[in-house]
Amino acid sequence: DIQMTQSPSTLSASVGDRVTITCRASQSISSWLAWYQQKPGKAPKSLIYKASNLESGVPSRISGSGSGTEFTLTISSLQPDDFATYYCQQYNSYPYSFGQGTKLEIK
Amino acid sequence: EVQLVETGGGLIQLGGSLRLSCATSGFTVSNTYMNWVRQAPGKGLEWVSVIYRDGTIYYADSVKGRFTISRDNSKNTLYLQMNSLRAEDTAVYYCARDGPERWIQNWGQGTLVTVAS
Repeated sequence: DIQMTQSPSTLSASVGDRVTITCRASQSISSWLAWYQQKPGKAPKSLIYKASNLESGVPSRISGSGSGTEFTLTISSLQPDDFATYYCQQYNSYPYSFGQGTKLEIK
Repeated sequence: EVQLVETGGGLIQLGGSLRLSCATSGFTVSNTYMNWVRQAPGKGLEWVSVIYRDGTIYYADSVKGRFTISRDNSKNTLYLQMNSLRAEDTAVYYCARDGPERWIQNWGQGTLVTVAS
């Protein structure tokens, strides 16, 4: 099974900051990686698929990159709506697996 | 518009059974890959099961032999039959639809299952 490791677990930042979240896979997953945003009490929302493709309607300040085993999610200028928990997920092979999550908090 | 609405959650005794339903609209459930994903209280996301267009099925090891995914094409509905429930099965269960390139694109609002002793 493929293990996904995110860092950091918690990130404190201010509106306007640039932030980066890292996701590492235990083996190569090519570009079969997605990123999700989840707010308290709500379902996850798809942000990025195939490592760097933005879902329709997702603001362009959010971007993804990487391939193989190392991936990043970057938010170029944090907005109040961005404070949430973010998960990466590999869909290279079953069982699908998620990172443990990164909680983005207001500093 | 794609919509996924889960029902069937609730409080169940240890060792009991429960069937979750996911009513869908805006697409045809038999023409896509459908998943169940769960989230224990205060924890991260855990993939549970998938059913392919052709009926191929996969399960997480943690539920294999106890849970069964199925669909009713005439009702455009996905199901998860959960037997021999354990305390560690307590979670919000999400119904989720794959996008064209197989990531999980759409999520329902979730239904809470609580397994109590």
